[in-house]
Amino acid sequence: QSALTQPASVSASPGRSITISCTGSRSDVGNYNLVSWYQQHPGRAPRLLIYEDKKRPSEISDRFSGSKSGNTATLTISLLQPEDEADYYCCSSAGGVTKVFGTGTKVTV
Amino acid sequence: QVQLQESGPGLVKASGTLTLSCGVSGDSIISNNWWSWVRQPPGKGLEWIGDIHHSGSTTYNPSVRSRVIMSLDRPKNSFSLTLRSMTAADTAIYYCARVFGGYDVGPLDYWGPGTLVTVSS
Repeated sequence: QSALTQPASVSASPGRSITISCTGSRSDVGNYNLVSWYQQHPGRAPRLLIYEDKKRPSEISDRFSGSKSGNTATLTISLLQPEDEADYYCCSSAGGVTKVFGTGTKVTV
Repeated sequence: QVQLQESGPGLVKASGTLTLSCGVSGDSIISNNWWSWVRQPPGKGLEWIGDIHHSGSTTYNPSVRSRVIMSLDRPKNSFSLTLRSMTAADTAIYYCARVFGGYDVGPLDYWGPGTLVTVSS
């Protein structure tokens, strides 16, 4: 099972919005409503931002939102803030493999 | 508050065996949850290793399936990872995590801080 494809980097100014794509196939992203997104600051463990494509844990800011169309999931970060500078990973279930992560995206604010 | 903490050797010899433990507080490993191991080579992305359920059921990444065993230590409320035949490619930060929702395909909602394991030649 190959890693899901994400852009290597995305950058924007504070206050702007960005989107991060996560492209898979009909056997993973397109077949399950199970895409999750994680934020990872340097030297820290990942933190869950989004699960089941678009659900958000209660403690996560509503500036983070998830969506999906076909085999591509998207994370949107609105009103970008300096503390959003981090690496972001998507994750999906795939046939026979419960979790496959994306390649990761470095966000620069 | 659920907390997880990895423990184990920071250095393993090539061809040797790694055993890591993950201590859990704030939740019981025999609750209806799955528990997971994920690793991250230095400067690289995340790789799922496998999951274990309180019943002892396991699912493993095919990339390591022939070398990995996960198990539970119910009295210590912990679970462990054993990885045999270590090579330099296994050098990584190893994280343990809780799988949310009671099913193995759920997201990882609580993570340990991670422990760096280096394979020496």
